[in-house]
Amino acid sequence: EPEVTQTPSHQVTQMGQEVILRCVPISNHLYFYWYRQILGQKVEFLVSFYNNEISEKSEIFDDQFSVERPDGSNFTLKIRSTKLEDSAMYFCASSLTGIETQYFGPGTRLLVL
Amino acid sequence: AQSVTQPDIHITVSEGASLELRCNYSYGATPYLFWYVQSPGQGLQLLLKYFSGDTLVQGIKGFEAEFKRSQSSFNLRKPSVHWSDAAEYFCAHRGGGYQKVTFGTGTKLQVIP
Repeated sequence: EPEVTQTPSHQVTQMGQEVILRCVPISNHLYFYWYRQILGQKVEFLVSFYNNEISEKSEIFDDQFSVERPDGSNFTLKIRSTKLEDSAMYFCASSLTGIETQYFGPGTRLLVL
Repeated sequence: AQSVTQPDIHITVSEGASLELRCNYSYGATPYLFWYVQSPGQGLQLLLKYFSGDTLVQGIKGFEAEFKRSQSSFNLRKPSVHWSDAAEYFCAHRGGGYQKVTFGTGTKLQVIP
């Protein structure tokens, strides 16, 4: 069964550093998403991406965040200058259409020191 | 604004007992509703979804959920819980016209022998 994959599974970085989280969505899916879950809190939507542009974003997704689909298979989330409060589990998801079920990857746990 | 309420933060049941996890949503039109399960350190696995049609939906692992428009609820049920069901369960919904999925705060299920 096709699945969403994410790398790395864990990343530790210093405050102020840039990080790139990578995702490989399900191959025939057209919509891509990033969510995050701060430890002990609920899963929060960050951004959705379709046709090489952002289609929806939350207030969390400020100028320090960016997303990109650099090739036909990867979908990345870049955090330009990490802050302590960016420590969280980041989930990538994909869906065939904008209204179909979103399938989630296993997540990347990011720790900012 | 869309919101999802899971009133029970933590539930403990005995193995073999029945289970009901509560979920209420706030959205005017019929939302798209989901239940996801997250085992410790794992990603989010879709248990079941409701888009339209029959209000009782069957999912994986023996779970089912019933959509009740009059109560704005989408409760998850299982007739006989197994020890492997211990996990955190998230109710979620997507409102029409929005791509983002809004999650509840989750219910942690503990299963005792």
